[in-house]
Amino acid sequence: QVQLQESGPGLVKPSQTLSLTCTVSGGSINSGGYGAYYWNWIRQYPGKGLEWIGYIYHSGSTYYNPSLRSRVTITVDTSENQFSLNLTSVTAADTAVYYCARQNIAVGGGLDYWGQGALVTVSS
Amino acid sequence: DIQMTQSPSSLSASVGDRVTISCRASQSIISHLNWYQQKPGKAPKFLIYEASKLQSGVPSRFSGSGSGTDFTLTISSLQPEDFATYYCQQSHSMPRTFGQGTKLEIK
Repeated sequence: QVQLQESGPGLVKPSQTLSLTCTVSGGSINSGGYGAYYWNWIRQYPGKGLEWIGYIYHSGSTYYNPSLRSRVTITVDTSENQFSLNLTSVTAADTAVYYCARQNIAVGGGLDYWGQGALVTVSS
Repeated sequence: DIQMTQSPSSLSASVGDRVTISCRASQSIISHLNWYQQKPGKAPKFLIYEASKLQSGVPSRFSGSGSGTDFTLTISSLQPEDFATYYCQQSHSMPRTFGQGTKLEIK
């Protein structure tokens, strides 16, 4: 059973960088055959909206939401079976629950496994 | 970006009812539509992909239909554990986008 777990600071000051790591267990980030799995970050604002942030493939190729592209970097560490999110120059508008999730091409590109979520508050 | 619009935003129903939730895309997404269920304090759970295919382990009372721009999620006979918020999401083009959610409440 694949499991994902987010970790990182729950409080970040305005203008600083939000950093989160997602650790994958029960399966390898490298696995799934050609093009099968992409590793995603999604956030959910208080009061419900979901925003897709971006994804990374195990090779390191990425795609970011254009609305965040100038501030987002997603990296992967296959040796640790982890991938990470950096979001720079944060403001209160970046306060949200941040989820990591696996996108599986075999099920239409749906997000079939999710972490439990990490609440990140941006405040001084 | 493709805009996803769900209706209604909230819905009250009773155990045993049949309910339908709609999702409309701002342009054709063929059948590249996924549905998720979210309970308070939990991550979304993947229910349906490619508009109508049930993810493994999801009860058969859930079904999906539609293509192009209009899609529906149907729960044939509501169970107590089905009261939650439901989201649609398109996996047709980048960036991926979600509907705003439909909260299903107990009447």
